[in-house]
Amino acid sequence: DAGVIQSPRHEVTEMGQEVTLRCKPISGHNSLFWYRQTMMRGLELLIYFNNNVPIDDSGMPEDRFSAKMPNASFSTLKIQPSEPRDSAVYFCASSYETPGATQYFGPGTRLLVL
Amino acid sequence: AQSVTQLDSQVPVFEEAPVELRCNYSSSVSVYLFWYVQYPNQGLQLLLKYLSGSTLVKGINGFEAEFNKSQTSFHLRKPSVHISDTAEYFCAVSEGGRRALTFGSGTRLQVQP
Repeated sequence: DAGVIQSPRHEVTEMGQEVTLRCKPISGHNSLFWYRQTMMRGLELLIYFNNNVPIDDSGMPEDRFSAKMPNASFSTLKIQPSEPRDSAVYFCASSYETPGATQYFGPGTRLLVL
Repeated sequence: AQSVTQLDSQVPVFEEAPVELRCNYSSSVSVYLFWYVQYPNQGLQLLLKYLSGSTLVKGINGFEAEFNKSQTSFHLRKPSVHISDTAEYFCAVSEGGRRALTFGSGTRLQVQP
């Protein structure tokens, strides 16, 4: 099993640029989650999808952030325009859509906005 | 709203000693409880989880945790730690029908020779 795949693994960009993070969930999983990890705020949910439909986006910081899941095997998280405070590690996770199902995490994308 | 408190930000311990990492949660409804481990520059890996039934849950790498509903706790234990257990450990909860996890702030376990 390939596990959850995220790309890129590292991204360095300048303030104001658009950033797109990508995620391929585990085949057969129908729930997908985006989390952000920072020293100040720890691990926090940004958004999650069930069957490609956004269910809870209450964690999305503001309109600069958007997420899509056009099909069951691909999701993107876009930041436009990026700001230095967006610097963080962004994790994608996937699971089956059953209560208490284990979430499997990708290796993360480390984003640095200068 | 649910919340998770990990009481210790760092726990130093000598190799082969026992360890307990503490976790308390608050929720008004029934919850599912998880412990994840994060090694440096890696994603999170599930150690164990409590869904229902027996309150003592055994996980990978010799870890176990006990669910205590009256104290709203889910402490993680290992009777004898190894150097390779050095990592950050996260307690997490999902509440009712909400699939997303709420994480604690993490505990850094530092195993010394």
